Amino acid sequence: AQSVTQLGSHVSVSEGALVLLRCNYSSSVPPYLFWYVQYPNQGLQLLLKYTSAATLVKGINGFEAEFKKSETSFHLTKPSAHMSDAAEYFCAVSAGEAAGNKLTFGGGTRVLVKP
Amino acid sequence: KAGVTQTPRYLIKTRGQQVTLSCSPISGHRSVSWYQQTPGQGLQFLFEYFSETQRNKGNFPGRFSGRQFSNSRSEMNVSTLELGDSALYLCASSPVGRDGLDTQYFGPGTRLTVL
Repeated sequence: AQSVTQLGSHVSVSEGALVLLRCNYSSSVPPYLFWYVQYPNQGLQLLLKYTSAATLVKGINGFEAEFKKSETSFHLTKPSAHMSDAAEYFCAVSAGEAAGNKLTFGGGTRVLVKP
Repeated sequence: KAGVTQTPRYLIKTRGQQVTLSCSPISGHRSVSWYQQTPGQGLQFLFEYFSETQRNKGNFPGRFSGRQFSNSRSEMNVSTLELGDSALYLCASSPVGRDGLDTQYFGPGTRLTVL
C-alpha cells in the first residue's frame, strides 16, 4: 500500500523567499511521485512528476523536486516565491502498473505568500 | 484541445436523494478517474474506468458507482445521499494510464452540497 505525508498543512513565505514543501512517501514498490497545485475553485494542475529517469525533476513555474530514496522524500522547492504561488499543493504517489491510474494524495499544504 | 469538463459545476441535493455527475475527458483520452475532495478526508480515489470497464476501485461504499461510455465520457452516481457526501468531486483523464506514468489532467470539479 502507498501513503503520503506532507509536513505542515500551512506554510507562509515572503515574496522572493525560498519555498520548501515537504513530502514523504511510503510505497511497497518503486513509486512514481507527483506534485499538483490547486488554485481556488479549480481542479488540480500537474507541477512535475518523478518517473525514475532523474532524481532532480524540474517542473513548471520554476518549481523542482528531488527524489531521495534513502529518505523516502520528494520535497518541492522554488528559489523565489511569487504572489501567484499562493495555492494549495498536493504530493501524490502511484504504484505504477499495479495500480493503474490510482493516485494516493497527501493532505496538502496551503501556501500563503506575504508581500 | 479542450480540457476536462465536468457538469454541473455546483449541485445542491437533500439527504436520501441520488445524484449523477458527468465528466468529458480530453479528446483521445481513454482513462477517466474520479476523486472525492473533502476538508476532513482530503483527496480520495473513487474509481477508474478504461475502455468502458472499471479498472480500479477505491474504498467507498456501494452507493458510489460509475460508468464509462464508448466515447470515453464518464458518469458517477451517488445514491441515498448522506450529509458526509458533500464534497468536491474531481474527474481526471489520461491518454492510456496503463502504467501509472500518464499525467492525469483534472477538471474543475463538481461541488456537491447535501442538505
